[in-house]
Amino acid sequence: NAGVTQTPKFQVLKTGQSMTLQCAQDMNHEYMSWYRQDPGMGLRLIHYSVGAGITDQGEVPNGYNVSRSTTEDFPLRLLSAAPSQTSVYFCASSKRAFGTDTQYFGPGTRLTVL
Amino acid sequence: DAKTTQPPSMDCAEGRAANLPCNHSTISGNEYVYWYRQIHSQGPQYIIHGLKNNETNEMASLIITEDRKSSTLILPHATLRDTAVYYCIVRVYNQAGTALIFGKGTTLSVSS
Repeated sequence: NAGVTQTPKFQVLKTGQSMTLQCAQDMNHEYMSWYRQDPGMGLRLIHYSVGAGITDQGEVPNGYNVSRSTTEDFPLRLLSAAPSQTSVYFCASSKRAFGTDTQYFGPGTRLTVL
Repeated sequence: DAKTTQPPSMDCAEGRAANLPCNHSTISGNEYVYWYRQIHSQGPQYIIHGLKNNETNEMASLIITEDRKSSTLILPHATLRDTAVYYCIVRVYNQAGTALIFGKGTTLSVSS
């Protein structure tokens, strides 16, 4: 198993540009989520999904969109990037609901918005 | 609201036990205590979790006080590779559903 994979590893955007961060898992996990981590901070939940076709907002959803068309993939879209979205983004998956099962995290995408 | 309090940093000598404390005085009866760690900006890694009883696995031991208001993560023989940020997390329910809420964690530095 590859586990949770994320692409790209690094990305630099200009303000106003759009992009999609990719996340995929091969463990047949129903639950997937996106977190962001700012310097010196813990992780904050952006969006999560409890299965294909079902998504919901986390703590800091503004400026981000998600969709879940398959069990394996959970892309995160930035429609109009802002400098405040400069951060490290982690995708995670788990077999059962968050908090009731261990979460497996990807290696992260480091995003800089100029 | 992370609902947990951890010291910002701790030091430990290689080969000694590392004892990382966590206060969670407002924990509810059905909330678990989870520990994750993050090594050098990699994705967080699950360590252990517990509800009431003490737990042990191949990585660590978790000691939870009888009143469940605090816990201690024990790495029995710390190595240099255990240098990381350790997060104590209490599962919380919110309007959006269950979510892991991370605090700032404890930076553990293991030295030879």
